[in-house]
Amino acid sequence: KAGVTQTPRYLIKTRGQQVTLSCSPISGHRSVSWYQQTPGQGLQFLFEYFSETQRNKGNFPGRFSGRQFSNSRSEMNVSTLELGDSALYLCASSFVGGSYEQYFGPGTRLTVT
Amino acid sequence: ELKVEQNPLFLSMQEGKNYTIYCNYSTTSDRLYWYRQDPGKSLESLFVLLSNGAVKQEGRLMASLDTKARLSTLHITAAVHDLSATYFCAVPLDRYNNNDMRFGAGTRLTVKP
Repeated sequence: KAGVTQTPRYLIKTRGQQVTLSCSPISGHRSVSWYQQTPGQGLQFLFEYFSETQRNKGNFPGRFSGRQFSNSRSEMNVSTLELGDSALYLCASSFVGGSYEQYFGPGTRLTVT
Repeated sequence: ELKVEQNPLFLSMQEGKNYTIYCNYSTTSDRLYWYRQDPGKSLESLFVLLSNGAVKQEGRLMASLDTKARLSTLHITAAVHDLSATYFCAVPLDRYNNNDMRFGAGTRLTVKP
């Protein structure tokens, strides 16, 4: 079974721009969660999507948004980028039910200059 | 608010020695997850602990969960260099938000020859 894939792997953007990151979950997994990882704040939950609906949302400003498509693929968007948005963005997919074990993708490294 | 605390945050070990990483969390949860992260890489799932008293072992690593004490331990036996990585514990926000995981700050383990 193929793992979670994320594109692009690396991205450099300028302050004020917007960015869209993509995540394809493991086949059969309908839940996709997004996390931000920074040296200062660690791993922080952004949001979770299940069946094209946002189920949970972390404590991030409205500049951070996401969506999920009918094939469970998910995108997250960050508008009006700030320097502090530089981070590793990880998505994780899980099969809803059972252990709820999350499988993480390789991440997208975003650098904002 | 759920808080997840790990200690130590940094651990330098000699090969062949034993040590334990601790993970405390502040609210009731009957499940806890351990992950490993190598530098510049994503998170790899190590253990899923789903009930009080759960114990799982894989190679030189053994994890346990005490839900009454709100404590999990990751024990390393006869450390080898390949175990050098950062280890995270994670707890779901609550039983209704299983995919909103709160992570500890991580324990950076270095195993020296």
